[in-house]
Amino acid sequence: DAKTTQPPSMDCAEGRAANLPCNHSTISGNEYVYWYRQIHSQGPQYIIHGLKNNETNEMASLIITEDRKSSTLILPHATLRDTAVYYCIVRRNFQGAQKLVFGQGTRLTINP
Amino acid sequence: DVKVTQSSRYLVKRTGEKVFLECVQDMDHENMFWYRQDPGLGLRLIYFSYDVKMKEKGDIPEGYSVSREKKERFSLILESASTNQTSMYLCASSPRGSEAFFGQGTRLTVV
Repeated sequence: DAKTTQPPSMDCAEGRAANLPCNHSTISGNEYVYWYRQIHSQGPQYIIHGLKNNETNEMASLIITEDRKSSTLILPHATLRDTAVYYCIVRRNFQGAQKLVFGQGTRLTINP
Repeated sequence: DVKVTQSSRYLVKRTGEKVFLECVQDMDHENMFWYRQDPGLGLRLIYFSYDVKMKEKGDIPEGYSVSREKKERFSLILESASTNQTSMYLCASSPRGSEAFFGQGTRLTVV
């Protein structure tokens, strides 16, 4: 599975959009981009995933560049409860062994 | 709602004991995972399984083994617990080609 690079930390003001970048320059054609977050003392929680088109759900939007070498997770109106570590992962979706490996993630702090 | 249940939230064991951490999922998922999480080191994959009786080593399998005799249950075994295995242990499950769901974690202290 391709490796990802994320900034170690970011800050964002409450109510503003939080844009979290992720580089995955070695991603291959059959690998998806997944985002998870982990709020202190809890297990990670799935947010969103995509292959090449932009995706949106009730939690966030995912923008993937045309060459698929990077992506951005957007939390449109960040709240204090969005303070967490955010993980970007690339993963193949096929039958058989599907390893799921986390990097160091980005620690996002939402400030009042 | 998908439920991934870990048998204990907190566990204290003695050095040299054999320790079993149990994880059960109720959604018929093929894939199950065990991670440990330590401050500054993030989530590290110990073992995973993609089917009953099938297992693959993750990045840090040393000192651990696993068992998956039934689809819904994935056990992590510490054959002889050591103090450097004190950690938060997280279990996850996922169907093929979809997102993973995590349990709440087991904080293991080996004394």
